[in-house]
Amino acid sequence: GENVEQHPSTLSVQEGDSAVIKCTYSDSASNYFPWYKQELGKRPQLIIDIRSNVGEKKDQRIAVTLNKTAKHFSLHITETQPEDSAVYFCAAGFNFGNEKLTFGTGTRLTIIP
Amino acid sequence: GAVVSQHPSRVICKSGTSVKIECRSLDFQATTMFWYRQFPKQSLMLMATSNEGSKATYEQGVEKDKFLINHASLTLSTLTVTSAHPEDSSFYICSAPLGGAGREQYFGPGTRLTVT
Repeated sequence: GENVEQHPSTLSVQEGDSAVIKCTYSDSASNYFPWYKQELGKRPQLIIDIRSNVGEKKDQRIAVTLNKTAKHFSLHITETQPEDSAVYFCAAGFNFGNEKLTFGTGTRLTIIP
Repeated sequence: GAVVSQHPSRVICKSGTSVKIECRSLDFQATTMFWYRQFPKQSLMLMATSNEGSKATYEQGVEKDKFLINHASLTLSTLTVTSAHPEDSSFYICSAPLGGAGREQYFGPGTRLTVT
């Protein structure tokens, strides 16, 4: 089955700086790669996703890049703000999101004011 | 966006008893729903795929006789934890894909189960 690795497990960044979280996946058939932000005791919230036919996607301060050959994808958050502090999970799935997701181990991001 | 609800949000039960958790898609039909379990400070681990009108598909290592899943309608899936033990205490979250190409999955708010 699919295996997703995520690094780093914790990340502290000065407010205003950029944060980068990286994930690798094992199954070349995966074609959907969402990123979720989860606050304590809450449901994961989708912040951005990318499909395998696209190499990069951006939404304001958030961007995701995908390298299908190397089977890795990354989340980039620019101009970080204190409210960006949370746990972030990457995931990989098939059938463009209609099938089960395999999650990475998570990154606890702390923005230092 | 689409809404998925779960009930209850929190439940405390005694060891050996059973507890049922409901997952509902409120404004769309979901032939498939997914059940995840999340232990404190850990990731979401898929337990099973719930299929409307047919048997659930369980992930390796998940006991199907302990975690009973019923997907009786296009908007409701239930997870019953039978003979619960303290080690079953966890955050249980369901999700449902909206369907079609390139559509995201919607997560329920989760159910915090504590077994005493």
